[in-house]
Order: sequence, then structure tokens, then C-alpha cells
Amino acid sequence: GAGVSQSPRYKVAKRGQDVALRCDPISGHVSLFWYQQALGQGPEFLTYFQNEAQLDKSGLPSDRFFAERPEGSVSTLKIQRTQQEDSAVYLCASTKRQPTETNNSPLHFGNGTRLTVT
Amino acid sequence: DAKTTQPPSMDCAEGRAANLPCNHSTISGNEYVYWYRQIHSQGPQYIIHGLKNNETNEMASLIITEDRKSSTLILPHATLRDTAVYYCIVRPRMDSSYKLIFGSGTRLLVRP
Repeated sequence: GAGVSQSPRYKVAKRGQDVALRCDPISGHVSLFWYQQALGQGPEFLTYFQNEAQLDKSGLPSDRFFAERPEGSVSTLKIQRTQQEDSAVYLCASTKRQPTETNNSPLHFGNGTRLTVT
Repeated sequence: DAKTTQPPSMDCAEGRAANLPCNHSTISGNEYVYWYRQIHSQGPQYIIHGLKNNETNEMASLIITEDRKSSTLILPHATLRDTAVYYCIVRPRMDSSYKLIFGSGTRLLVRP
């Protein structure tokens, strides 16, 4: 079966432009996560959805970052008025279990979108 | 903050065992040890996890010390495709946010 799919694979934006990054999780997966990975660093948590509900957005770095998952499947991460410091790989992950269950279900990651802001 | 400490880099010869250490001295009784790896230009990939017993699967073995303050990931016969960054992560058994907190990991280079 298909894994987590992210598009586009690469995105170049001029400073000040808005961008939208898409994530197609594994079918049936309840939980969806967005991470940001700067060059040479480990991924950092941005936000978490359970179905269509955004339950944790504590990692979003500013109000220019917005994520949605309106039907509980596909998710979009939007960055408004991009800045150079937004350049990073944006990773999406999904898992089938809900957090109230034992969390021994691993996260499945996509290959990310590499955003370069010039 | 990451609750684990790993060496920044290691190397091993192809075909030999790769032993990757991780210190998690502040781990609590309800926290699992997870290992992920990230091959260049790919997303992180789940390898294995454990609570207190040693675990083995088709990818690797996980050895957890009796006091649970450290663990070792073992790749029994490393191949060039095992070159990657390996992340050791602790996370609660029951976690309402369910998020993983990554550190900087260990960059493993498998030499031909």
C-alpha cells in the first residue's frame, strides 16, 4: 500500500510569497503530524491533528503558519509571507492509533517538501 | 527538549555489526525507547521500540540496560544502505499529544 505522500517535493518561493504544502496520509490513519527540519538538525514538531481536529499547534513558530485537515484525511500546511528562516524540509507523518490508546504504534513519515525561500 | 544523549557520529565496516548507544538517564517507568533512522533526502523510518525487555525484529535488535538508563541499537550486519542518521527517542506510554521529540541523532557511516 501507499505510504505518506507529500507534494510538492521541492518548492522555491520568493520572500513574502505564500506557500501551501500538501500531505496525503496513509488511508485510515487517524493522527497526522507536521514537522519542520532545518539543515543538519532533527525534525521539530509543529502541529498535530486527530481526524479533523487540530489538538496541538504548540510548535507552530508564528501566526504566519497555518495547518488544516478539513475532512480528516488530506492536510495542508500554509505559510504566509514566507521569510528566509522558513527554509527547511517540512515532514508529514501519520499513525492509525489515537493518543488515548497505548502509543506503541509507530509514526509513518513522508519524504517531505523542501522549501527554499530566496 | 530531547531526553536522550547520542554520539554525533560513528562508523563501521560493511558486514560488521553496528552498535549505536543512547543514554536516557532520566527515563521514567512509563516511557518507551524508540529508534528511528533517516536516510538522506527521506523521512524518518521507524526501526524498533522497547520498554524494558530486549527486542528484536527484522531490522535490528534493541538492548536496554536493567536500570533502563541506556540502550544500544544493534544492526547485526551493516550494509551501505544503513548509512543514515539514527535517532533515539523516549516517549510516554500514554501521551495525549503523541508527538515525537527528536534530538540530533547519530550519523552512522558504513564503510565499504
